[in-house]
Amino acid sequence: ETGVTQSPTHLIKTRGQQVTLRCSSQSGHNTVSWYQQALGQGPQFIFQYYREEENGRGNFPPRFSGLQFPNYSSELNVNALELDDSALYLCASSLGLLRNTQYFGPGTRLTVL
Amino acid sequence: AQRVTQPEKLLSVFKGAPVELKCNYSYSGSPELFWYVQYSRQRLQLLLRHISRESIKGFTADLNKGETSFHLKKPFAQEEDSAMYYCALSAIYNQGGKLIFGQGTELSVKP
Repeated sequence: ETGVTQSPTHLIKTRGQQVTLRCSSQSGHNTVSWYQQALGQGPQFIFQYYREEENGRGNFPPRFSGLQFPNYSSELNVNALELDDSALYLCASSLGLLRNTQYFGPGTRLTVL
Repeated sequence: AQRVTQPEKLLSVFKGAPVELKCNYSYSGSPELFWYVQYSRQRLQLLLRHISRESIKGFTADLNKGETSFHLKKPFAQEEDSAMYYCALSAIYNQGGKLIFGQGTELSVKP
């Protein structure tokens, strides 16, 4: 069984740029959720994808967008980067909707200068 | 409002001492609670899920709906328990489930 993987591990961007983060879900999982974890904080829900459709969104602006592909891998795109976007971005996969256990990837550390 | 509160940022105990990491929640529906743990340089991983009523690595947690709490306990702490612990609430959201996390408690177990 393959766990959740994310790429890249680290990324440095400047203000105003755009970034794409990638996530491969655990084998057999069809739901992917993205979280932002600022330093010293717990993860915050960005959005969730189920079978290629966005299924819910947290309190994040539209410049945070995502995709899920037929193989259930996913991308998180952030446009017009701001300094406050510097954080660890976590992807979690699960089987189905509702409250099934979410399994996390190692995260992508984004630094915006 | 849906919220998870972990009042202690840091908890430091000696090896062999009992440990209790506090978690309180606010949620209008039927709650489902989790404890996740993050060891140094490792990913966030599930420790406990309240519906499982399991004991993992000697840790237990009981959901107290009256006090809206889900405290994590272990009778005898070990040095390898040192890690960040996050309490999380699974909230129904557009037919899906999003996790609402507390700010985390860093547990330090001293020899």
